[in-house]
Amino acid sequence: DSGVTQTPKHLITATGQRVTLRCSPRSGDLSVYWYQQSLDQGLQFLIQYYNGEERAKGNILERFSAQQFPDLHSELNLSSLELGDSALYFCASSPGLADNEQFFGPGTRLTVL
Amino acid sequence: GESVGLHLPTLSVQEGDNSIINCAYSNSASDYFIWYKQESGKGPQFIIDIRSNMDKRQGQRVTVLLNKTVKHLSLQIAATQPGDSAVYFCAENKRGGATNKLIFGTGTLLAVQP
Repeated sequence: DSGVTQTPKHLITATGQRVTLRCSPRSGDLSVYWYQQSLDQGLQFLIQYYNGEERAKGNILERFSAQQFPDLHSELNLSSLELGDSALYFCASSPGLADNEQFFGPGTRLTVL
Repeated sequence: GESVGLHLPTLSVQEGDNSIINCAYSNSASDYFIWYKQESGKGPQFIIDIRSNMDKRQGQRVTVLLNKTVKHLSLQIAATQPGDSAVYFCAENKRGGATNKLIFGTGTLLAVQP
């Protein structure tokens, strides 16, 4: 158990819909990272927040957005969902801003029908 | 562009043997190279990292070797155990500015035969 929690574990929705994925980092960690893992794209970095502020951005679509709240939990919002958005979404956390060791949650499996 | 890739998508070894998982990278500007392990149904787990100015680093039963001349990274696992069965990802981290992010390779499946 990494200490990072993600909800929900599974999510099934239809194209065009909007969903919110939630992540609670390890106690004391200030950075939260979001990753997408799909069969054809592998593990892709989406975005990083550090102490409430966006700090790094990867290949995140404009339809996706994230935020980190004062209690340091984070949410990833996915809108106008497409079939290709079906994937595992991982949240990770780490104490600092540029840590190689990131602690990954169990993931949320999103299925878009 | 930046990319990290793996030579072997699947590696099958006998329990007790040593395993070597390889990775090629293209971005010479990376500051660190990292290995992660992902067991079935779980998130990736950090194994070991190596700074770009080092050639070798050892951990518990694992050794990472970095050959900057040919842009090659390898993870050696000694006395491989069934619990080592997982997908192994190499990743690179180029720190600084607004570009701090891990770029993961495609992964190698390590299957340990009893």
